[in-house]
Amino acid sequence: NAGVTQTPKFQVLKTGQSMTLQCAQDMNHNSMYWYRQDPGMGLRLIYYSASEGTTDKGEVPNGYNVSRLNKREFSLRLESAAPSQTSVYFCASSILQNAEAFFGQGTRLTVV
Amino acid sequence: QQQVKQSPQSLIVQKGGISIINCAYENTAFDYFPWYQQFPGKGPALLIAIRPDVSEKKEGRFTISFNKSAKQFSLHIMDSQPGDSATYFCAASPNYGGSQGNLIFGKGTKLSVKP
Repeated sequence: NAGVTQTPKFQVLKTGQSMTLQCAQDMNHNSMYWYRQDPGMGLRLIYYSASEGTTDKGEVPNGYNVSRLNKREFSLRLESAAPSQTSVYFCASSILQNAEAFFGQGTRLTVV
Repeated sequence: QQQVKQSPQSLIVQKGGISIINCAYENTAFDYFPWYQQFPGKGPALLIAIRPDVSEKKEGRFTISFNKSAKQFSLHIMDSQPGDSATYFCAASPNYGGSQGNLIFGKGTKLSVKP
């Protein structure tokens, strides 16, 4: 099983450019999440989708948008990238919110 | 109330020693306490988890100790090995969904096990 698949793995953007991070899970999970990981800051929730058709803000949503395309796919969009968005981004999924989360391999994004 | 405080930030242990990482929380509605292990360049992966109906859970060399009254839980790695060198995150989530129902992560502990 592939689990949670994220694309791309690496990306360099110029300030002001836009991009979409893709995430897909094949575990029939209801809930999906986008986190960012920065040194010393742990994992901070950007947006989540508790179930298909719903999305909501997490702890650090500014500068991001999300789309729950279907039950499998949850994308994260940066409309106008800023250097402060340089980070490692992780997508995760779980059967329910209060259950084990499975993470993708991450996307390392650098904004210059 | 939604915070999970993890310590230490970094830990160096000799091979064969015991690694101990601690976490504290405030929200009494938290009822799921997982520990995640992350190797460089990889996503976090669930290591072991506990619910508050038990005070301890052991899986191989890894043990979670849970103290409900103190609102603390800890990860013990017995007979630590160089292959255990990784970053460990504790987390907690409440028994309800919605905007406050997601996993809250500690800031992580970087463990180095010296041969």
